[in-house]
Amino acid sequence: TQLLEQSPQFLSIQEGENLTVYCNSSSVFSSLQWYRQEPGEGPVLLVTVVTGGEVKKLKRLTFQFGDARKDSSLHITAAQPGDTGLYLCAGDAGGTSYGKLTFGQGTILTVHP
Amino acid sequence: GAGVSQSPSNKVTEKGKDVELRCDPISGHTALYWYRQSLGQGLEFLIYFQGNSAPDKSGLPSDRFSAERTGGSVSTLTIQRTQQEDSAVYLCASTLRLGSEAFFGQGTRLTVV
Repeated sequence: TQLLEQSPQFLSIQEGENLTVYCNSSSVFSSLQWYRQEPGEGPVLLVTVVTGGEVKKLKRLTFQFGDARKDSSLHITAAQPGDTGLYLCAGDAGGTSYGKLTFGQGTILTVHP
Repeated sequence: GAGVSQSPSNKVTEKGKDVELRCDPISGHTALYWYRQSLGQGLEFLIYFQGNSAPDKSGLPSDRFSAERTGGSVSTLTIQRTQQEDSAVYLCASTLRLGSEAFFGQGTRLTVV
């Protein structure tokens, strides 16, 4: 069974601060996705990374896939209250498990004005 | 419809009763997934359907859980003889094809009392 360890579980910061969320595994993933979920809603895809070492930017969010495709990080610059939510990483192992996502435990981010 | 629709939004049931949760995927999406999410946590894979292939039931926690997808569209997740530990948010997602971007419904919050 492939596991994704996500840290930290909780993050409470002030507006304007930077933060990084980590997603680690001992297993290799063919791709890794980051989602954001708000209360009462389903997760919404932010980005998919597929190549080892890949870096993708989405406005103030920077996503990185580790060289060995076992870990990933999400960095938010100058966080805003609108960034508040549950952030989830999810890996696709590929092969016979292609399309079946393994999710991390999530990081609950609160950005205070 | 424009998105994935789940019903009911909330369900409170007595321990031992059976429940049915419904998912209407995005029209034309060939793959449909069910996940379970405990409060503020990551998602636990339950089952997925892909086209006419046999479903992958590897995530179903017990034989009290079953799901079907009729006509390649609507899916129903059935939990028999509900237990308190079944209380969670049940999320459905659909993808255009296996491995493509997942679109989630808003979930059904199940409470077993």
